[in-house]
Amino acid sequence: AQSVSQHNHHVILSEAASLELGCNYSYGGTVNLFWYVQYPGQHLQLLLKYFSGDPLVKGIKGFEAEFIKSKFSFNLRKPSVQWSDTAEYFCAVNGNNNDMRFGAGTRLTVKP
Amino acid sequence: EPEVTQTPSHQVTQMGQEVILRCVPISNHLYFYWYRQILGQKVEFLVSFYNNEISEKSEIFDDQFSVERPDGSNFTLKIRSTKLEDSAMYFCASRVRGGTDTQYFGPGTRLTVL
Repeated sequence: AQSVSQHNHHVILSEAASLELGCNYSYGGTVNLFWYVQYPGQHLQLLLKYFSGDPLVKGIKGFEAEFIKSKFSFNLRKPSVQWSDTAEYFCAVNGNNNDMRFGAGTRLTVKP
Repeated sequence: EPEVTQTPSHQVTQMGQEVILRCVPISNHLYFYWYRQILGQKVEFLVSFYNNEISEKSEIFDDQFSVERPDGSNFTLKIRSTKLEDSAMYFCASRVRGGTDTQYFGPGTRLTVL
């Protein structure tokens, strides 16, 4: 069964610090990988996705993620965070079946 | 930009009561989903729906749950007899095709069971 692990439950950074949120997945076949963000009081929004091709994908708001197949990882990065990046970040994967499996989420708090 | 909408935004109900959560997916989408997120926990898949039938469901989606697409626009989740542990945020999602296409999520309905 496919599963997703996010290593950090809560990350606290100062503005302008660099961010890397870990995500590992477990699935035997071809996967599609996603990062969603949930700002306080709002719904899930797609940050970026990987289906195929260049393993380094760029998303909205300066975020990027790198798919490393050998490590089953899809870590999210941003070189310089802002206070407005404070949110919950979810890594998700779906394979050949139809559903999406989410990680537990990482809460990011950016101090101004 | 078209978006998935959900009503109500917050539903409070007594244990044992039936609730119906409503979703209006994006109009040209063909695949529909329900997820839930218990406070402080991860988003969990409940059920997927395509071509007027359930295509996949999780172990959470037991006989107390049902889904329906009663007309061309709405997609509903019914909980027959709510339990305290059904309190959660329920998200509807839709996508155009299966497989590699992106799922678009609604804003969620917060269900509180007293």
